[in-house]
Amino acid sequence: GENVEQHPSTLSVQEGDSAVIKCTYSDSASNYFPWYKQELGKRPQLIIDIRSNVGEKKDQRIAVTLNKTAKHFSLHITETQPEDSAVYFCAPSSSGTYKYIFGTGTRLKVLA
Amino acid sequence: SQTIHQWPATLVQPVGSPLSLECTVEGTSNPNLYWYRQAAGRGLQLLFYSVGIGQISSEVPQNLSASRPQDRQFILSSKKLLLSDSGFYLCAWSVLASGNEQFFGPGTRLTVL
Repeated sequence: GENVEQHPSTLSVQEGDSAVIKCTYSDSASNYFPWYKQELGKRPQLIIDIRSNVGEKKDQRIAVTLNKTAKHFSLHITETQPEDSAVYFCAPSSSGTYKYIFGTGTRLKVLA
Repeated sequence: SQTIHQWPATLVQPVGSPLSLECTVEGTSNPNLYWYRQAAGRGLQLLFYSVGIGQISSEVPQNLSASRPQDRQFILSSKKLLLSDSGFYLCAWSVLASGNEQFFGPGTRLTVL
């Protein structure tokens, strides 16, 4: 089955600095690469996603980059703000799959 | 637009008691439905998923069960709760045509004492 790992497990940055979280997967058939954000006590919500025909996607301060050859994709947050503090999950999957495997999560703390 | 409901929002139950958590989706047809459990400070563990009425796939052997009596209704049950069943239970739906994104319900926080 799919093996999904995230690094680091925790990350503390100063407000205004950048944060990068990496997700490594094992299934070469994966072609959908999302990142979810979960604030404390709340539900996970999709913040950005990318498909395998694209190498990078950006949405304001958030970007995702994909390296299909190496089987990893990364979440980049620039100019971090305290409200970016949350747990972030990746969940790579392939078209037509019914089953989603989430990464172990990365707790991001943005220090004011 | 689509919405997903879960109830109850919080629940405190004694060990050995039964459990029934309900999830309903509005605004979409034939969704894939999922139950996840999240222990405190941990990741999302997939428990069950369903691709249609009466079709349930179990991912983790445990004392929980799931049922899908209607297209947009998903129920998580237990006959006898264990202490280890405590956690945050999340229901989610997806439609393959929409590109694999999962939409989560607000969750039920279950404490077993």
